[in-house]
Amino acid sequence: DAKTTQPNSMESNEEEPVHLPCNHSTISGTDYIHWYRQLPSQGPEYVIHGLTSNVNNRMASLAIAEDRKSSTLILHRATLRDAAVYYCILSYSKLTFGTGTRLQVTL
Amino acid sequence: SQTIHQWPATLVQPVGSPLSLECTVEGTSNPNLYWYRQAAGRGLQLLFYSVGIGQISSEVPQNLSASRPQDRQFILSSKKLLLSDSGFYLCAWSAGAYSYNSPLHFGNGTRLTVT
Repeated sequence: DAKTTQPNSMESNEEEPVHLPCNHSTISGTDYIHWYRQLPSQGPEYVIHGLTSNVNNRMASLAIAEDRKSSTLILHRATLRDAAVYYCILSYSKLTFGTGTRLQVTL
Repeated sequence: SQTIHQWPATLVQPVGSPLSLECTVEGTSNPNLYWYRQAAGRGLQLLFYSVGIGQISSEVPQNLSASRPQDRQFILSSKKLLLSDSGFYLCAWSAGAYSYNSPLHFGNGTRLTVT
């Protein structure tokens, strides 16, 4: 199954953009790239997903590399409420979640 | 709108006791249903998924089992709990075919402590 690689942690200042990277070099042509985030003691929350083209929604943007071997979740203006663990997963990898990236947002 | 209910929120059980966690989904039909477990400081591990009533696929060998007696009901069980069964159990649902273009929607989880 294709796997994803994410940094363990990242920090950002409030009101600044955040770019969360994800590498998935063994992605297959039919894998969708999904992003979720998890607050402490809560279930993960869906953020965004895409296949080939960049995607935007009210929460974030997803930038997908042309070769699809990496993607970046973009939070345009980080707030304290965005502090969470962010997971990048591939739909055909049996929806396996790794340990994600812990995002810290500071004032 | 669709909602997912999972209970109880917390549970403390002695080793060797049985377990039953229930999950129900409202506002959708024929959902795909999933049970995940998250150990402390770890990622989410897919335990079971179901694409229909009575259809259960197990992802990892363990002393847990799952059942889907109704379209929108998913139950996680154990006859005898082990200490290693402690963790945060999450139920999720998705629409459409498994693992395709359908986001997962998670419940609020059950934190199980086996003592």
